[in-house]
Amino acid sequence: DTEVTQTPKHLVMGMTNKKSLKCEQHMGHRAMYWYKQKAKKPPELMFVYSYEKLSINESVPSRFSPECPNSSLLNLHLHALQPEDSALYLCASSQRQGETNYGYTFGSGTRLTVV
Amino acid sequence: AQKITQTQPGMFVQEKEAVTLDCTYDTSDPSYGLFWYKQPSSGEMIFLIYQGSYDQQNATEGRYSLNFQKARKSANLVISASQLGDSAMYFCAMREDGYNKLIFGAGTRLAVHP
Repeated sequence: DTEVTQTPKHLVMGMTNKKSLKCEQHMGHRAMYWYKQKAKKPPELMFVYSYEKLSINESVPSRFSPECPNSSLLNLHLHALQPEDSALYLCASSQRQGETNYGYTFGSGTRLTVV
Repeated sequence: AQKITQTQPGMFVQEKEAVTLDCTYDTSDPSYGLFWYKQPSSGEMIFLIYQGSYDQQNATEGRYSLNFQKARKSANLVISASQLGDSAMYFCAMREDGYNKLIFGAGTRLAVHP
């Protein structure tokens, strides 16, 4: 079982809908990430949160809005998406640089389809 | 800017044989980490092995080993005794220690034949 839990596993939404993706980890990691992965492509970094503060935004459109309510939770709020936003959305967490076991743990992902 | 290159879009291997998946990287940061992940069709990214830029020995994890050639900036993954369950997409990734970002190569799809 993965130690990073993502819900839902599958999501179909219309272009006018508002939905949220959720990610939870209980490993004490202080950095959390959102990645977007299109079919047959590598994951692309979207956002990085470090100690619950947004540290990196890779020029992601504003229709994607991240939120980190506490050190264990990471949300991605979706609004007015386009069909080309359909993808696998992966959440990950890691220890901070300089700490031991600086590995990245990924969740199973949410498969999003925008219709 | 960092860059990861995986030149093999697809690889085939016979069950029980060894296979090497290539990865080269480019960075000006002297301190960095290299990772290999496996992604089956289910989508989960499974961590396989890690090599730090200052590590003196090549990393090994069970059937996985990393052939780290720092001067050539290569970090090839070697899978020994391939199993049918090894069929998946494999990604090489790098993190520069000055940046909390993990960046992936294009990936190699491995198919293990019985």
